[in-house]
Amino acid sequence: EVQLVESGGDLVQPGGSLRLSCAASGFTLSSYWMHWVRQAPGKGLVWVSRINSDGSSIVYADSVKGRFTMSRDNAKNTLYLQMNSLRAEDTAVYYCARFRSGFLDVWGKGTTVTVSS
Amino acid sequence: DIVMTQSPLSLPVTPGEPASISCRSSQSLLRSDGSNSLVWYLQKPGQSPQVLIYLGSNRASGVPDRFSGSGSGTDFTLKISRVEAEDVGVYYCMQALQTPLTFGGGTKVEIK
Repeated sequence: EVQLVESGGDLVQPGGSLRLSCAASGFTLSSYWMHWVRQAPGKGLVWVSRINSDGSSIVYADSVKGRFTMSRDNAKNTLYLQMNSLRAEDTAVYYCARFRSGFLDVWGKGTTVTVSS
Repeated sequence: DIVMTQSPLSLPVTPGEPASISCRSSQSLLRSDGSNSLVWYLQKPGQSPQVLIYLGSNRASGVPDRFSGSGSGTDFTLKISRVEAEDVGVYYCMQALQTPLTFGGGTKVEIK
């Protein structure tokens, strides 16, 4: 079964750091571009970042540029999102998603990040 | 960035009746191959988004045929021919033509 499972979400203080992971199974991660999308409580979906198949090209939303770093370990079939200098407005459920045939076709269940003192 | 605008914000529906959601983009989503880079998702309560329609009008695998997508360029529509109780949730359109990927604000469909 094709599956993405996020982990690493937690309660963290403003200014703190967190690393999210996204484990892929049922398919070969190295064949796909991958994305992170977040959703603040009660709000809509917001794109965060994208990485190409081999990790050589990464793009970020302006709101996280310079603070978040997306990476991947294809040998471990795992995607990462390193989040530094966290702010209250980063509070959200973070989803990883696979990009295939022009759309995000597989989504994980998400992991919750809460930034609060 | 491409701005996606959905309407209505909320859509009360009667089971068995049709429903329609509109999505407009600030730039054309037409690709060189003639397809449109427009996707429709449904996020059911407590779940992650699931794809309904991709490339503007292609139904994703396993999606009931009561769902259909149409439109081209900047104006798109998602239609449900006969709404069922399981169709409740928030519907989003998304453009995948360029990064940043951008989503519409969502349309909440609920049963009357």
